[in-house]
Amino acid sequence: AQKITQTQPGMFVQEKEAVTLDCTYDTSDPSYGLFWYKQPSSGEMIFLIYQGSYDQQNATEGRYSLNFQKARKSANLVISASQLGDSAMYFCAMRETTDSWGKFQFGAGTQVVVTP
Amino acid sequence: DTAVSQTPKYLVTQMGNDKSIKCEQNLGHDTMYWYKQDSKKFLKIMFSYNNKELIINETVPNRFSPKSPDKAHLNLHINSLELGDSAVYFCASSQERGGLADTQYFGPGTRLTVL
Repeated sequence: AQKITQTQPGMFVQEKEAVTLDCTYDTSDPSYGLFWYKQPSSGEMIFLIYQGSYDQQNATEGRYSLNFQKARKSANLVISASQLGDSAMYFCAMRETTDSWGKFQFGAGTQVVVTP
Repeated sequence: DTAVSQTPKYLVTQMGNDKSIKCEQNLGHDTMYWYKQDSKKFLKIMFSYNNKELIINETVPNRFSPKSPDKAHLNLHINSLELGDSAVYFCASSQERGGLADTQYFGPGTRLTVL
């Protein structure tokens, strides 16, 4: 069963606006980590941000922030002040403690297109 | 300096051939991974090595064989290539095995096309 769900296959956002990318996850582990990666059209996978299940505060990295709602099992990525270079595929991933080998499970991704 | 590098970037070959993809990381990480990204962009782990020891071996045809000569290198050899093997293959590395916050850093990917 899919453990990471990204319900938005694609979205358009205007430059300078904020965009929220949805990610919900399914786990019975009390301890897990959530990651977001960006894949531009050039193909490389770029790490953006990490949130641990026990972290008290939502993670932030520059223009990226993570809206972590543990009870709802959601970890939405917020990109503030979108730039043209933010156009890319965005993937949410999870690592559970039951998987001691560090395996990531990825969502299907959300394609973001930033328009001028 | 490139942290995780892969060669080649593109690989076009005929069905039935055998090919290899090489991966090197200069981050000093202990763990390396191979992922396959299909045409729908879905990423799935194939293998993982920790200090040259195989620790993850997902349900992958045994035509795929990883080899780790040392902890900085993880190569992927594919025998008897099939059309369905066409995909982008990513190598990744991480500092340790299984730490929750242990971020995986990806190589640029190798686009394999089987004709």
